[in-house]
Amino acid sequence: DGGITQSPKYLFRKEGQNVTLSCEQNLNHDAMYWYRQDPGQGLRLIYYSQIVNDFQKGDIAEGYSVSREKKESFPLTVTSAQKNPTAFYLCASSGLGLYNEQFFGPGTRLTVL
Amino acid sequence: AQTVTQSQPEMSVQEAETVTLSCTYDTSESDYYLFWYKQPPSRQMILVIRQEAYKQQNATENRFSVNFQKAAKSFSLKISDSQLGDAAMYFCAYRSARGGGADGLTFGKGTHLIIQP
Repeated sequence: DGGITQSPKYLFRKEGQNVTLSCEQNLNHDAMYWYRQDPGQGLRLIYYSQIVNDFQKGDIAEGYSVSREKKESFPLTVTSAQKNPTAFYLCASSGLGLYNEQFFGPGTRLTVL
Repeated sequence: AQTVTQSQPEMSVQEAETVTLSCTYDTSESDYYLFWYKQPPSRQMILVIRQEAYKQQNATENRFSVNFQKAAKSFSLKISDSQLGDAAMYFCAYRSARGGGADGLTFGKGTHLIIQP
């Protein structure tokens, strides 16, 4: 089955530690995205990538980093510089083209203790 | 920058009745796409319906339809014959057509829809 996988589903880290969230897709999509969801805030764009080895900052990129070494993978690192990292993180992908919808993964809940 | 506003944090409707969720947006662009996504308690985001700004005809998908008013920058979602499975958070989202449309989505804060049996 084609789809997007995110792992792990729940992640706990101590304050000050970097943590990497995984996102893999087998939909052969060119574009991939990371969103953050907080209660009452909707989803906000962190980073996105349209092609391998290239990515762009979204609205709330500070304290985060990404890489896109393979078309299928777009890991997100939450660094110690992120002041409030506890949130629900959603990865998405889409084909290039105006009409293409974004497909979302199941999300990762990150809790920083 | 574009903004999306959903003014109803929560709505409640009786099963089998019709409910309308509101969404307004602000943009200086003329070409864009609008979406409604559903997020049930599982937190999986599911596309409900989409609308191209250049199309005057309102989109419909089975029991779901939109009222797109471009001049008013309004994009409401109507759910007919509400079912218990419709209970979820509903998010309105905007995507620019600039840059091939790959710039990511701008979301509203969501409306929590409750279905009363």
